[in-house]
Formats: sequence, structure tokens, C-alpha cells
Amino acid sequence: AQSVTQLGSHVSVSEGALVLLRCNYSSSVPPYLFWYVQYPNQGLQLLLKYTSAATLVKGINGFEAEFKKSETSFHLTKPSAHMSDAAEYFCAVTYWSASKIIFGSGTRLSIRP
Amino acid sequence: GAGVSQTPSNKVTEKGKYVELRCDPISGHTALYWYRQSLGQGPEFLIYFQGTGAADDSGLPNDRFFAVRPEGSVSTLKIQRTERGDSAVYLCASSLAAQETQYFGPGTRLLVL
Repeated sequence: AQSVTQLGSHVSVSEGALVLLRCNYSSSVPPYLFWYVQYPNQGLQLLLKYTSAATLVKGINGFEAEFKKSETSFHLTKPSAHMSDAAEYFCAVTYWSASKIIFGSGTRLSIRP
Repeated sequence: GAGVSQTPSNKVTEKGKYVELRCDPISGHTALYWYRQSLGQGPEFLIYFQGTGAADDSGLPNDRFFAVRPEGSVSTLKIQRTERGDSAVYLCASSLAAQETQYFGPGTRLLVL
């Protein structure tokens, strides 16, 4: 069985500060991992994905995530937060032959001016 | 090009009524997925179509839920005898093929009174 746990339902950072959103996964097979972002009243947008190639994955809007098998983690980071980064972020897991994606419960990111 | 579209964007119905939710996938995408997102939660998988057939319907909560994709393009999610607990945002996604990146629509917000 697969699952993801997102630590912190709400994270607030100052504009220009480091963004760190935490995700831990559980999978009995090599996982594929994703981060999606959801802006208000919009659909989910893929930020980045890990599919067993490089462990450091770069995505859109300056975000990146590092796959750490020893820690079963896939934390999302961005060096400097912008006001436009305020949104809900979802970590998700699947595996190579699966169709469905298992999502975490989400982390709402707020940016303080 | 056009993304995944879903209609209606909002649907209010009364308990016990029947509803249909429509999804138009990205042109040429053979795989189509339905998810349900309850308030404060991540999306939960409902059903996956490869072409016209439902390849995985393990996420449908009960037999009141049914989905079709008769021509391998547009899909309709049908809910009979709606209950207040069915209130959620219903998301549709499509991908070029199975195991490819899923692109999400904006969702249909269903409210059952």
C-alpha cells in the first residue's frame, strides 16, 4: 500500500524567506512522487515529479524537491518566497504500473508581506 | 491548447436527486481519471478509463456512483440518490497514456442540500 503524509496543514513564511513543505511517503515498491499546486478556484497544476532518475528534481516557479530514500522523504523547497506562491500544495505518490495517484491532505502556504 | 474542462463548475442539488458531471479531456489523451476532493482533504481516486473502458473503478464508494466514456473522449460521472456526504469537488484529469503525467481540470463543486 502507498501513502503520503504532509507535515503541517498550514505554513506561513515571509516574502523572500525560504519555503519548506514536508512530505514523507510510504511505498512497498519504488515510488513515483509528485508535488501539485492548487490556486483558489483552479485545478491542480503539476510542480514537479520524481520518477527514479535524478534525486534532486527541479520544477516550475523556482521550486525543487529532493528524493531521500533513507528518510522516505520528498520535501519541497524554494529559496525565496513570492506573494504569488500562496496556494495549497499537495504531495502525491504512485508507482510505475499504477494509474491512480495517492494524494496527501495538503499544506496551505501563506506569504506574509 | 485547451486543457481539461469540466461542466458545470458548480452544482447544487437536493438529497435524493440524480446528478451528472461532465469532463472533456485534452484532445488525444487516451486515459481519463475522476477524483473527489472533500473539504480540507487531498483528492481521492474514484475511477480510471483507458479508452472507452473502465480499467480501475476501485475508488467508487458505492453503487450509486457510475461513470461512462462511450466514445473514448468525454466522460460523465453519474451519482444516483445523492446524499449530503457526496458534497465535494469532483476533479477530472487526463493523460496522453496510462502512467503519463495527469493534467487536471478545474473541478465541479457539488453541494447536496
